Amino acid sequence: AQTVTQSQPEMSVQEAETVTLSCTYDTSESDYYLFWYKQPPSRQMILVIRQEAYKQQNATENRFSVNFQKAAKSFSLKISDSQLGDAAMYFCAYRGPLAQKLVFGQGTRLTINP
Amino acid sequence: GAVVSQHPSRVICKSGTSVKIECRSLDFQATTMFWYRQFPKQSLMLMATSNEGSKATYEQGVEKDKFLINHASLTLSTLTVTSAHPEDSSFYICSARDQGRYEQYFGPGTRLTVT
Repeated sequence: AQTVTQSQPEMSVQEAETVTLSCTYDTSESDYYLFWYKQPPSRQMILVIRQEAYKQQNATENRFSVNFQKAAKSFSLKISDSQLGDAAMYFCAYRGPLAQKLVFGQGTRLTINP
Repeated sequence: GAVVSQHPSRVICKSGTSVKIECRSLDFQATTMFWYRQFPKQSLMLMATSNEGSKATYEQGVEKDKFLINHASLTLSTLTVTSAHPEDSSFYICSARDQGRYEQYFGPGTRLTVT
């Protein structure tokens, strides 16, 4: 079974600085999808970024970018120019090529210090 | 963008009663819907997956007679917690996916408190 591991329960960063959240996963598939979701205090899940495994280029969405290392099964999220509104729980998630469901990591709570 | 609503956002019920939570896709047809449970400071735990017009597929350890899921239309799924007990108190989140899309779109969640 696929598993997703986020080894950092909590992270903090100064406003305007850069922070990287780690995620590793285990799968025997060659084609799959990876996601980062943000859950702010409102608890609404928000998609931050997605990566298709067949794409070598790392996905980027404004201040958010990923470092996708397929061989190492690593999928980290970099947040540049951190803002107070970035404070939230961040979940890494995996979806297989034919699977419908997402497999979530344990989450990382990100605090932004003003 | 794709919007998923949940109703109610909060519900308090007495032990032994049943409560129904609705999940609606507002601007797309949800061929697949998912129900999650989330305990405080924990990740989302998938309870079941439902495809429109079919019986839900429950994850291991989830009591299907206790958590009844109905996905009767392409825009509505319901979760009924039957004979609720205090241990069923939790945050329940639904999500919906349109066939062919990558993402699941999440509802805002429902906080259930059983007294």
